[in-house]
Amino acid sequence: GDSVTQMEGPVTLSEEAFLTINCTYTATGYPSLFWYVQYPGEGLQLLLKATKADDKGSNKGFEATYRKETTSFHLEKGSVQVSDSAVYFCALSDTDNNAGNMLTFGGGTRLMVKP
Amino acid sequence: GAVVSQHPSRVICKSGTSVKIECRSLDFQATTMFWYRQFPKQSLMLMATSNEGSKATYEQGVEKDKFLINHASLTLSTLTVTSAHPEDSSFYICSARDRGSYSNQPQHFGDGTRLSIL
Repeated sequence: GDSVTQMEGPVTLSEEAFLTINCTYTATGYPSLFWYVQYPGEGLQLLLKATKADDKGSNKGFEATYRKETTSFHLEKGSVQVSDSAVYFCALSDTDNNAGNMLTFGGGTRLMVKP
Repeated sequence: GAVVSQHPSRVICKSGTSVKIECRSLDFQATTMFWYRQFPKQSLMLMATSNEGSKATYEQGVEKDKFLINHASLTLSTLTVTSAHPEDSSFYICSARDRGSYSNQPQHFGDGTRLSIL
């Protein structure tokens, strides 16, 4: 079955530091990949997505490149801010999935940015 | 952009009470909605897939008689936690995908409902 593995947190950084959150996946079909962000007490918001190999998703300074050869979709940001503190979820939606295109989530990575 | 509204945002009630949570797609139609449960500091656990006009599909280990799902229209799905007990306390989140969209389109999430059973 499909699975998503993220680096465990929490990740603690100082403001303006470089961020990398690793995400790798296994899938039977041709998945689309997503990063969602969850702020405290809230639901999930789509951060970025990539639908095929070598695509790069980007939003709000965050980037992730769909690497089929390494089955990875690592999230990066060049300079984090305190307001980026949240939990980040990597997820995939597989074309081979029969369950209405459900999402498979990683375990989430908590990011804490200190001023 | 697509908006999913979830109501209520927080519920505190006594053990034995049944609680209904609503999930509405405000500016799009959704034939499929998803219900998740999230424990503190953990990932989302898919509970069930809600299909408009038909029975929901429950994940293994989720009691269908405990968590009743109704998807009566293309914009509304409800989750009813029947005879809730303290162990049902959790954060419940719904999501929906635009009708006719493919797997490469994102799901849109509600803001979640924090359920606390005393």
